[in-house]
Amino acid sequence: SYELTQPPSVSVSPGQTASINCSGEKLGDKFACWYQQKPGQSPVLVIYQDTKRPSGIPERFSGSNSGNTATLTISATQSMDEADYYCLAWDSTTYVFGTGTKVTVL
Amino acid sequence: EVQLVESGGGLVQPGRSLRLSCAASGFTFDDYGMHWVRQGPGKGLEWVSGISGNSGTIGYADSVKGRFTISRDNAKNSLYLQMNSLRPEDTALYYCAKAGKKFSGNYYRTWFDPWGQGTLVTVSS
Repeated sequence: SYELTQPPSVSVSPGQTASINCSGEKLGDKFACWYQQKPGQSPVLVIYQDTKRPSGIPERFSGSNSGNTATLTISATQSMDEADYYCLAWDSTTYVFGTGTKVTVL
Repeated sequence: EVQLVESGGGLVQPGRSLRLSCAASGFTFDDYGMHWVRQGPGKGLEWVSGISGNSGTIGYADSVKGRFTISRDNAKNSLYLQMNSLRPEDTALYYCAKAGKKFSGNYYRTWFDPWGQGTLVTVSS
């Protein structure tokens, strides 16, 4: 079955850039999207179709997808960005979520 | 504003059944596929099932295939998940989510946006 792997945790200083990778076989041939989930809240879409940002999502969130890796980049990271992040992709007959990454803003 | 409100969760014994509902508003319901996603306690997200706007295509995760049934009533703007033969590992917060892409023909290759607040299912004796 298809798998998407993310690093368990990423730490970043306020104002710096955080990058979260999502790895899967030929992921670049599929569309990836990204969700932010804060404690006790439902997931919120921050990137869809690899690079598109929904209305209301700050410009500091950006995405890319090529080869076997999709990347979510948070520029000028703020304390409010501290959350769990999940990638998602469609594979043949099912949707697959990444393993999730906890972003800590130190 | 799109709103999704789940209900029907609760404590149930292993082997028993439960039916979840999701009431949708703020959009033309039958124009969009709908999905169920769950999250076990302290765990990640897992797609459970999806259904197209016209109910013509339906899919399930292997972990629930043969036990869960997704359905929708477009006249009532409602999505359902019938869960049979429940197991302790089905314990989770169950979210309903709207497909991001407007297309009623299938539930494939889309994103989920927005999500409801979830309804908690606990399977335990």
